[in-house]
Amino acid sequence: DVKVTQSSRYLVKRTGEKVFLECVQDMDHENMFWYRQDPGLGLRLIYFSYDVKMKEKGDIPEGYSVSREKKERFSLILESASTNQTSMYLCASSLWTWTSASEQFFGPGTRLTVL
Amino acid sequence: KQEVTQIPAALSVPEGENLVLNCSFTDSAIYNLQWFRQDPGKGLTSLLLIQSSQREQTSGRLNASLDKSSGRSTLYIAASQPGDSATYLCASRATYKLIFGTGTRLQVFP
Repeated sequence: DVKVTQSSRYLVKRTGEKVFLECVQDMDHENMFWYRQDPGLGLRLIYFSYDVKMKEKGDIPEGYSVSREKKERFSLILESASTNQTSMYLCASSLWTWTSASEQFFGPGTRLTVL
Repeated sequence: KQEVTQIPAALSVPEGENLVLNCSFTDSAIYNLQWFRQDPGKGLTSLLLIQSSQREQTSGRLNASLDKSSGRSTLYIAASQPGDSATYLCASRATYKLIFGTGTRLQVFP
C-alpha cells in the first residue's frame, strides 16, 4: 500500500515564526503536492513538485515556499507564519502525471494553528 | 476553468439504504475522476479512480460511474452502514492537478 506520512498531526505556532511541514512518501512517486483545506473553500493547491528540485506554483502560493531535495520528501515552509495560515495542510503524491491511471494518495494531514 | 459540483451537500439516511452521490464537472476533457472519503479531522482516503476511457469502477459495496459527455459521475453505496458516515469528495484531473468538489457529508444512522 502507498503510504504518505506527515511529520505532525497538530502544530501550534506563533505569528512570525518560520514553520516547516514535512511529508514523506514510500512509493517512489514522481509527483508530490501540498494542499490546504478550509471550511467553505475546499481543498486548494499550494505547490506541487514533479521531480527532485522541481516545483510549480499552485493556486495559492503566496506566503509559502517548498523544498524537494530527495524524491521521497517534500517540505512546505511558511517563512513568517500569519494567523490567516491557520488551516489543515494535506500532502499528496502520485505517479507520473500524464497518464489517466495516475492516482493521488494523501497523508493524514497537519492541523496548524497560528496564534 | 474546470468546476466540480457535488449534490447533495449533506445526506442523512437509515442504515441499509442504497445511496447515490452525484458529481458534475464542466470540462469533459479529463484524464480521470477520483472519489475520496474524508473522516472528520483526517486526511483523504482514495476510494475509486475512473480513467477517462472507463465507464465504471467497483470496490466492494462501492460503484462509481463516469459519463464524460454529460460531465457526470456518480458514487453508488450499497447497503449503507454507520461506518460509511464521512464526507465524500470527487475530484477531476484535466492537467497536473485535481479539481475538487465541495463534498457530500453523509450520515448513516442505526
